[in-house]
Amino acid sequence: GEDVEQSLFLSVREGDSSVINCTYTDSSSTYLYWYKQEPGAGLQLLTYIFSNMDMKQDQRLTVLLNKKDKHLSLRIADTQTGDSAIYFCAVLLSGGYNKLIFGAGTRLAVHP
Amino acid sequence: GAVVSQHPSWVICKSGTSVKIECRSLDFQATTMFWYRQFPKQSLMLMATSNEGSKATYEQGVEKDKFLINHASLTLSTLTVTSAHPEDSSFYICSAVDLAFAYEQYFGPGTRLTVT
Repeated sequence: GEDVEQSLFLSVREGDSSVINCTYTDSSSTYLYWYKQEPGAGLQLLTYIFSNMDMKQDQRLTVLLNKKDKHLSLRIADTQTGDSAIYFCAVLLSGGYNKLIFGAGTRLAVHP
Repeated sequence: GAVVSQHPSWVICKSGTSVKIECRSLDFQATTMFWYRQFPKQSLMLMATSNEGSKATYEQGVEKDKFLINHASLTLSTLTVTSAHPEDSSFYICSAVDLAFAYEQYFGPGTRLTVT
């Protein structure tokens, strides 16, 4: 079945850029997502990208998709302490079921 | 827009009792809602897919008689944990797919269930 992998932890200094990486196995996935989860809360949809796109930018967020390598990344520019959270990569399963397969989540720690 | 609510946000119950958790899409219609379970410091595990007006589809290993799902309208799905046991203690999160934007899935804030 589909597998989504992420590194578990990233630590950055406030003001620097953060890059969170994700790899997936299903080459027919059409939509790929980034969600943010703060402690004790649900998931917030940050952004998503359609598989025919290479890049999508939304304010401080840049998503890069390398379909050949099945690699997705999320870049957060000018990282702030409020960005500290767990970031989940998710892939929409092909077949029209609207099911998302999640990675394990990357914990982003922003320090002064 | 695109707000999903859950009620209650946390609940403590005794072993053997049943607990109902509600998931509502507040400003959009959702033919499909999903129920997830999340253990501490782990990812989300999909439990079941809830479709309005039809039976839920459960993932492998999830007991459908224990986790009853009802999707009564385009804005409401409920999960009932029956005969709860301490091992059912977890964070339960629902999500809803916007009927108008089928690829946008929005999550509720979660319900923390503790069974004593």
